[in-house]
This record gives sequence, structure tokens and C-alpha cells, in this order.
Amino acid sequence: GQQVMQIPQYQHVQEGEDFTTYCNSSTTLSNIQWYKQRPGGHPVFLIQLVKSGEVKKQKRLTFQFGEAKKNSSLHITATQTTDVGTYFCAGNDYKLSFGAGTTVTVRA
Amino acid sequence: DAGVIQSPRHEVTEMGQEVTLRCKPISGHNSLFWYRQTMMRGLELLIYFNNNVPIDDSGMPEDRFSAKMPNASFSTLKIQPSEPRDSAVYFCASSTAIDTQYFGPGTRLTVL
Repeated sequence: GQQVMQIPQYQHVQEGEDFTTYCNSSTTLSNIQWYKQRPGGHPVFLIQLVKSGEVKKQKRLTFQFGEAKKNSSLHITATQTTDVGTYFCAGNDYKLSFGAGTTVTVRA
Repeated sequence: DAGVIQSPRHEVTEMGQEVTLRCKPISGHNSLFWYRQTMMRGLELLIYFNNNVPIDDSGMPEDRFSAKMPNASFSTLKIQPSEPRDSAVYFCASSTAIDTQYFGPGTRLTVL
């Protein structure tokens, strides 16, 4: 069955630095979604990527979908304390499969 | 929009007791999902419904778990009997298809 792997599991970032989290699927995806979960909260939809090689930006967040539609990345520039939380990718094959998430902490 | 509504928000019960979690999806959404989240296992899909019909329940851990969706505006997840290892946050989510999912606030279940 479809498996979605996400790395790293934890990311400790100095405020102002950049970081990237990666998502890999064992199967070709029809689309991929990214969610953010703040501590104590629930996952909230961020974005969906559909096209091969697609790149989308949301302010300091850049999302990319691989050419083969099997991997994706989220890059955050100039990390702020508001970026704290867990970022999940979710690969959509015949159903949505969530990765384990990357939990981000920020050092002020 | 009210969003996805879950109740109760917190539940503490003793081992062996029956637990019922409730979910009201966003009006107009025809897909509903139940997830369980723990530190050890992350976010797990338990079951999802499409147009009130269970489509995939392969994530339901065992026969102690059951889910129903009697109508488009209500779903329940029941655990009977509950065990300490069932302690987790249970999320309900809804969507218009296998598409963007809107999560409820979750029910934090503690089984003593």
C-alpha cells in the first residue's frame, strides 16, 4: 500500500534561519497536501500541489512537488516563533495518507 | 462556518467502560474521516465514510472499535470495552471529496 515518509522527524531551528522538510511517497500521487498543527491544536490545511514540478509560495513558505509526483518539500525562510508546530504532508493516491510529520521548534 | 464539531473535547474513563465520540461535519461535505493521534504512532486514519457509507475501515485497530454515520450530519466512534492503550487524541475531519480535509478540534481520551 501507499506509504508516505517524512524527514526529518524533528527540526530545531534558530530564529531567522531557513529549513526544509521532505516528503517521499512509495507510489505516484495524484496530488499532495500540506498541513500544520500547532501544539495542542488540530491539523490545518496549508496548500495542495497537483502538477508535476509545481512550486507554490505562501509568504515565507515554499512548497514544491517533484517531477515524478512522488516527493515534495516545504522550505521555510527566516523562521519565526510563529512557525512552531508540526508540518504534515499527505499524499493523495486513492486515499489521503499522512506522513509522520516534522515537529519544528524555534530558538529565539 | 461552524467548522467540524466534536464532542466531548475531553474524556476520562476507566478501563472496560464504553466510550462514544461524536462528530458533526461541515454542512455540504460528503466525506468524513476519523483519525487517532498518539506520540508513538502519529496520525492514523481509522475509517472514512463517503455519502454516509463506510469506504475504508482498514485502520480500525480491532473489533472493540466501531463507527457509524447514520446521516450526513452526524457520526460516532465507539470503543467498547476501552483499554489504556486507546488513550489518544481522536480527530474527525470532513471534506467535499478525497480532497482538502477540515479537522475538528479533537477529543482527548484518557483511559485509566
